Amino acid sequence: DTGVSQDPRHKITKRGQNVTFRCDPISEHNRLYWYRQTLGQGPEFLTYFQNEAQLEKSRLLSDRFSAERPKGSFSTLEIQRTEQGDSAMYLCASSSPGQIHTDTQYFGPGTRLTVL
Amino acid sequence: DQQVKQNSPSLSVQEGRISILNCDYTNSMFDYFLWYKKYPAEGPTFLISISSIKDKNEDGRFTVFLNKSAKHLSLHIVPSQPGDSAVYFCAASPSYDKVIFGPGTSLSVIP
Repeated sequence: DTGVSQDPRHKITKRGQNVTFRCDPISEHNRLYWYRQTLGQGPEFLTYFQNEAQLEKSRLLSDRFSAERPKGSFSTLEIQRTEQGDSAMYLCASSSPGQIHTDTQYFGPGTRLTVL
Repeated sequence: DQQVKQNSPSLSVQEGRISILNCDYTNSMFDYFLWYKKYPAEGPTFLISISSIKDKNEDGRFTVFLNKSAKHLSLHIVPSQPGDSAVYFCAASPSYDKVIFGPGTSLSVIP
């Protein structure tokens, strides 16, 4: 299976701890997106990369959040000093080059974060 | 402010009948609209899309209609099948790089 993978699938942490999530996109995709989804809501855009360049960040992405895609392949999303409000599903998606619109965004299964 | 709205959190339909899921948007800069389907414990899966230059797009049992003047789109599923039971997200894109999702409608197709 060469779909988008995310690790871990579940993470439980205590308030104040740091957590890091990983996303491996589909190999030939050059765009990678991070979204956050809370109960009863649709995915909310956090940030996206084209290759290794981070092109846009949502205002939802506070200073405690940082995302990287060092070699234009996998990406990591780190949350420092977690708060209970960070509890959510974190989704990663990738899309293929040459597409004008985002109908080819492929999503991973997500990482569910619970902050106690 | 919610730019993409799905005012029905849930919908139940009998198997074989038509399912109609509705979506409203507020931003006239949106030029591309998408529907995603999500099963529990999985990420959203792209279903169907429509450009603002069209008013209808059909793919098998799924048809999306766009009414630009009303800033409204709908997804029709005919005939509905139990396997269609999922959460459906309406989404809109103002450019090629970002998608804004609605809150979703949970569809239950009753056998």
